[in-house]
Amino acid sequence: GEDVEQSLFLSVREGDSSVINCTYTDSSSTYLYWYKQEPGAGLQLLTYIFSNMDMKQDQRLTVLLNKKDKHLSLRIADTQTGDSAIYFCAEKQNAGNMLTFGGGTRLMVKP
Amino acid sequence: EPEVTQTPSHQVTQMGQEVILRCVPISNHLYFYWYRQILGQKVEFLVSFYNNEISEKSEIFDDQFSVERPDGSNFTLKIRSTKLEDSAMYFCASRAVGRDEQFFGPGTRLTVL
Repeated sequence: GEDVEQSLFLSVREGDSSVINCTYTDSSSTYLYWYKQEPGAGLQLLTYIFSNMDMKQDQRLTVLLNKKDKHLSLRIADTQTGDSAIYFCAEKQNAGNMLTFGGGTRLMVKP
Repeated sequence: EPEVTQTPSHQVTQMGQEVILRCVPISNHLYFYWYRQILGQKVEFLVSFYNNEISEKSEIFDDQFSVERPDGSNFTLKIRSTKLEDSAMYFCASRAVGRDEQFFGPGTRLTVL
């Protein structure tokens, strides 16, 4: 079945860029998403990319998609302490409704 | 900004009891979902619902689970006879027709004792 993997933890200093990586196995994935979860809160949709795109930029967020390697990344420029959270990538196939999630990457931003 | 809401935020129940988790999706959305996240594990899809019927469900969504849209605003998940392993955070999500974004609620933490 589909599988989505992420590294567990990333620590950066305030003002640096953060890059959170994700790999997936299903080549029929059509949409790939990034969600943010702050402590005690739900899953906040940050951005998503369609599989025929290589890159999408939205303010401080840049999503890169390497479809050949099935690798997705989220770059956060000028990382702030308020960016500390767990970041989940998720994929959706064209045929279905369901999202398949990675395990989440905990981003810690040090002042 | 419209958002998905869920009640209660935390539900504690005894094993074998029935629970109903409630969700109010975003008002113009017509696709509804339940996911769950067992502590320390991945967020897992349970079921999707459209046009008053289940459109897709996972292996987790067995006969103990049911969903309902009892009125024009609520979407519920019922677990008929809870087990210890049903303890998890349950997330509701909704999506508009013609859009690809699923918006999630804050979750209900279910604790089965």
